[in-house]
Amino acid sequence: DAKTTQPNSMESNEEEPVHLPCNHSTISGTDYIHWYRQLPSQGPEYVIHGLTSNVNNRMASLAIAEDRKSSTLILHRATLRDAAVYYCILRDIQGAQKLVFGQGTRLTINP
Amino acid sequence: DTAVSQTPKYLVTQMGNDKSIKCEQNLGHDTMYWYKQDSKKFLKIMFSYNNKELIINETVPNRFSPKSPDKAHLNLHINSLELGDSAVYFCASSQELSAGTLAGANVLTFGAGSRLTVL
Repeated sequence: DAKTTQPNSMESNEEEPVHLPCNHSTISGTDYIHWYRQLPSQGPEYVIHGLTSNVNNRMASLAIAEDRKSSTLILHRATLRDAAVYYCILRDIQGAQKLVFGQGTRLTINP
Repeated sequence: DTAVSQTPKYLVTQMGNDKSIKCEQNLGHDTMYWYKQDSKKFLKIMFSYNNKELIINETVPNRFSPKSPDKAHLNLHINSLELGDSAVYFCASSQELSAGTLAGANVLTFGAGSRLTVL
């Protein structure tokens, strides 16, 4: 599976936007970019995924660079409940049967 | 509620014992997984089953034996428990998309986890 690189931790304030970066310079043409998050003492939770175009859903937005070598998860208005570890994961056809988690970014939200 | 449910949520046992963790999903998904999250919080896949057939076994010791009686259930049985088996075990499921859709698009739904402590 192609690798992703994320900052170990980030901090933001409540009600402000949060931009979580992810680098994936070895991404292949068939890799989807997935984001999951894990809230304290819970299982991972799907957030969003995309292939080439930017994506929006009720939880977040995903901005994908034109060369697809990086992406950014955007939380438009962070709340305390968004404090979690956020994982950026590439999923290809060969490895499609499993999700390979990296270290993720621990997001802290200040009140 | 539609979900992936695991039992028990907590399990404390002695070294050398045999224990099982059960997982059930009512989402109608075809594929189920077991992941292990150790004390350093790394999430690693252990097994994956598709329609009751084992498709991934990530070099897990053979003391760990998954069993899938039907596609809605994937249980994890662990023999001769060791201290290093202490971890949180997560079950997950996913639905394979229709032919023609890149398989990398399907998403996983996880259970709440089962915390195993081996003393």
